[in-house]
Amino acid sequence: KAGVTQTPRYLIKTRGQQVTLSCSPISGHRSVSWYQQTPGQGLQFLFEYFSETQRNKGNFPGRFSGRQFSNSRSEMNVSTLELGDSALYLCASSLESTGDTLELFFGEGSRLTVL
Amino acid sequence: DAKTTQPNSMESNEEEPVHLPCNHSTISGTDYIHWYRQLPSQGPEYVIHGLTSNVNNRMASLAIAEDRKSSTLILHRATLRDAAVYYCILAGGYQKVTFGTGTKLQVIP
Repeated sequence: KAGVTQTPRYLIKTRGQQVTLSCSPISGHRSVSWYQQTPGQGLQFLFEYFSETQRNKGNFPGRFSGRQFSNSRSEMNVSTLELGDSALYLCASSLESTGDTLELFFGEGSRLTVL
Repeated sequence: DAKTTQPNSMESNEEEPVHLPCNHSTISGTDYIHWYRQLPSQGPEYVIHGLTSNVNNRMASLAIAEDRKSSTLILHRATLRDAAVYYCILAGGYQKVTFGTGTKLQVIP
């Protein structure tokens, strides 16, 4: 069974540009969530999608957006990049996201560097 | 959001048991307690979860206080491969999952 796949693994952008990251969940998983990981802030929740609907959103500015397609694949977009957006972006999928069934499977992440 | 508090770092000798504590005094009755760990250069991986009773699996044990305001992840025999950041999180209903900064476990050979 294939795991969670994130692309690209590494990318370098400059301030003001935008970036799109992709996540393919484990087959059959309908919930996809995104996290930002930085050395100082740890793992911070960005948003969660289930069946193409955003169900939860973290405390990030509107420059961070996402979507989920009918095949459960998800993308996140960051517009007008800032230096502080440099981070590892992790995607996780799960069958559901309720308390007992929440078993998150993470991808290896997309490491974004903003120059 | 329900919050958890963990020590920033802990050390253990190899092949000794490790007890990783987590405080969650604002836990609600429907929150499950989950533990994940993140090995270097990898995404986090699921370890164990529970609601009220203590739980065991092949990776670890989870001891939950009677009032549920704290829990302890127990690694019975730490190995060098257990060196990781361990996260205690609460999950109940359809809510955003907050990981926090976790406990960095160092295993000494």
